[in-house]
Amino acid sequence: GNSVTQMEGPVTLSEEAFLTINCTYTATGYPSLFWYVQYPGEGLQLLLKATKADDKGSNKGFEATYRKETTSFHLEKGSVQVSDSAVYFCALMGTGFQKLVFGTGTRLLVSP
Amino acid sequence: ETGVTQTPRHLVMGMTNKKSLKCEQHLGHNAMYWYKQSAKKPLELMFVYSLEERVENNSVPSRFSPECPNSSHLFLHLHTLQPEDSALYLCASSQDTTRTGGAFLHGYTFGSGTRLTVV
Repeated sequence: GNSVTQMEGPVTLSEEAFLTINCTYTATGYPSLFWYVQYPGEGLQLLLKATKADDKGSNKGFEATYRKETTSFHLEKGSVQVSDSAVYFCALMGTGFQKLVFGTGTRLLVSP
Repeated sequence: ETGVTQTPRHLVMGMTNKKSLKCEQHLGHNAMYWYKQSAKKPLELMFVYSLEERVENNSVPSRFSPECPNSSHLFLHLHTLQPEDSALYLCASSQDTTRTGGAFLHGYTFGSGTRLTVV
């Protein structure tokens, strides 16, 4: 079945450092791919998405490119801020019944 | 109001109590979901309703009882819970239609969750 694998956290960075959170997936067909973010005490918010191969999703300085050849959707940001500290979830949705499958989440801690 | 609203935000209940969590969406979506998020565990999908009909129940204990009276409202009725049921309960909604893309293109919209503590 469909699955998502994310790197283990926490990822600890200093402010203005470069961020990469790895995400790979297993799916049949051509799924949509998503990154969600969860700030402390809150629910999940959609951060960005890509619905076909080679699409690049971007939002708030974060980017991720849908790479079908490597089945990956890595999240990147050029310069992180303390306010980016949160848990980041990679997710996919296959065709057919539209069930969102999540990775385990990666906690990001950014220090001043 | 817009989006997905969950009430209450926090709930403390004893093991013999009966309580309900409420979720309301104002997005015109036709599918709603309950997730459980426990510390150090992956998100667990509990129930799925599409067009007000339950389409998935992931082996959830019977002490959790969902109700979807219409496409805008979803409840989770709780009774005789255990301390290990303490968690953040998240509601989500989507437009579940393969014909027009729907959730496939836009994903789910989540509420802020109810933090449940069972004492």
